[in-house]
Amino acid sequence: EAQVTQNPRYLITVTGKKLTVTCSQNMNHEYMSWYRQDPGLGLRQIYYSMNVEVTDKGDVPEGYKVSRKEKRNFPLILESPSPNQTSLYFCASSLGELGGGPYEQFFGPGTRLTVL
Amino acid sequence: DQQVKQNSPSLSVQEGRISILNCDYTNSMFDYFLWYKKYPAEGPTFLISISSIKDKNEDGRFTVFLNKSAKHLSLHIVPSQPGDSAVYFCAASASGNTPLVFGKGTRLSVIA
Repeated sequence: EAQVTQNPRYLITVTGKKLTVTCSQNMNHEYMSWYRQDPGLGLRQIYYSMNVEVTDKGDVPEGYKVSRKEKRNFPLILESPSPNQTSLYFCASSLGELGGGPYEQFFGPGTRLTVL
Repeated sequence: DQQVKQNSPSLSVQEGRISILNCDYTNSMFDYFLWYKKYPAEGPTFLISISSIKDKNEDGRFTVFLNKSAKHLSLHIVPSQPGDSAVYFCAASASGNTPLVFGKGTRLSVIA
């Protein structure tokens, strides 16, 4: 089944404790992206990656890191989480250039993160 | 400054009637527009899209209309069904693999 998977689905942590949210897709997609969803703010892009070893900042990159060492994986790293990073996070992927751009993105099920 | 705006946070419609969700954009470079649907505890799923070379795209009960001069698009759902109750996000992109920009979403409730 074609899908985007994220782990963990739920996480409660404390300020300053480094964490990683994994994202993996099995559709051989070039483009991957991370979003956060907050009440009243909709979906905001954190980082995106056009291809392996190519990443770029989205609208709200502060406090986050990403890496794209392999096509299928795009982990989101919070080196020192703070309470304002409490949010619902979504990973997404799409065909990228071959498919006409980062248009029809497939989203993962989401990771609800709480930072105390 | 918000480039994609969905000014109605919520909309309530009776089953069988038409639902119209609206979206405005400010960036004239946007040339591809999409609607996503999101149920609670799930990721958004792609619903329908339209390129700027068209003014209408239809897929079953869903039709998207684009008015480039007004920088406005709308999603029509006819007839509305209770299963359509969800949050709908409008998104836009410019050519050249630029990232999608999302609106804040409109929560649609279809009442039986």
